[in-house]
Amino acid sequence: AQSVAQPEDQVNVAEGNPLTVKCTYSVSGNPYLFWYVQYPNRGLQFLLKYITGDNLVKGSYGFEAEFNKSQTSFHLKKPSALVSDSALYFCAVRYGGTSYGKLTFGQGTILTVHP
Amino acid sequence: EPEVTQTPSHQVTQMGQEVILRCVPISNHLYFYWYRQILGQKVEFLVSFYNNEISEKSEIFDDQFSVERPDGSNFTLKIRSTKLEDSAMYFCASSRTGGSSTEAFFGQGTRLTVV
Repeated sequence: AQSVAQPEDQVNVAEGNPLTVKCTYSVSGNPYLFWYVQYPNRGLQFLLKYITGDNLVKGSYGFEAEFNKSQTSFHLKKPSALVSDSALYFCAVRYGGTSYGKLTFGQGTILTVHP
Repeated sequence: EPEVTQTPSHQVTQMGQEVILRCVPISNHLYFYWYRQILGQKVEFLVSFYNNEISEKSEIFDDQFSVERPDGSNFTLKIRSTKLEDSAMYFCASSRTGGSSTEAFFGQGTRLTVV
């Protein structure tokens, strides 16, 4: 079975400071990891994904994520937060052996960036 | 930029009534999905659909639920006899392929309220 945990319900940072939103996963086999963001009254927007290769993945809006196999983590990061980054962030995993695309999501982390 | 669109954005229905949630996936995508999010809980996979048949479904997707692609563009989720616990945000998603590394693109969701 595959699962994802986002240990923080909320993350608060000041604008201009670096941000980290944490994600850990549990999956048999090779994981495919994704980050999505949800703004109010909007759908889930794809940010970035890890498939294989470089552990540091770059995505949309200046976000990046670091895959750490030994710690089974895939934390989302941004060097300098913007107020407009405030949203709900979801980490998701897909087992490499699944051929039909089922994503398993974490419970989400609310990011609030203060001016 | 192409996007997944869902209608209606909000639907209120009486317990026991049938509802149909509609989605227009991205035009060149071949795999379609429904997910739901009960308030305060995780986004949960319901079903995946490819080549006019269900590829995979979760335990949630029981006989009360059905999906179809009636006209080659719309992708619908039908709940035959709604229960109070069906109240949730329902997300449609699509992806170009069904490969594990392929990201899914989500619609803005339909909030279903069963009273």
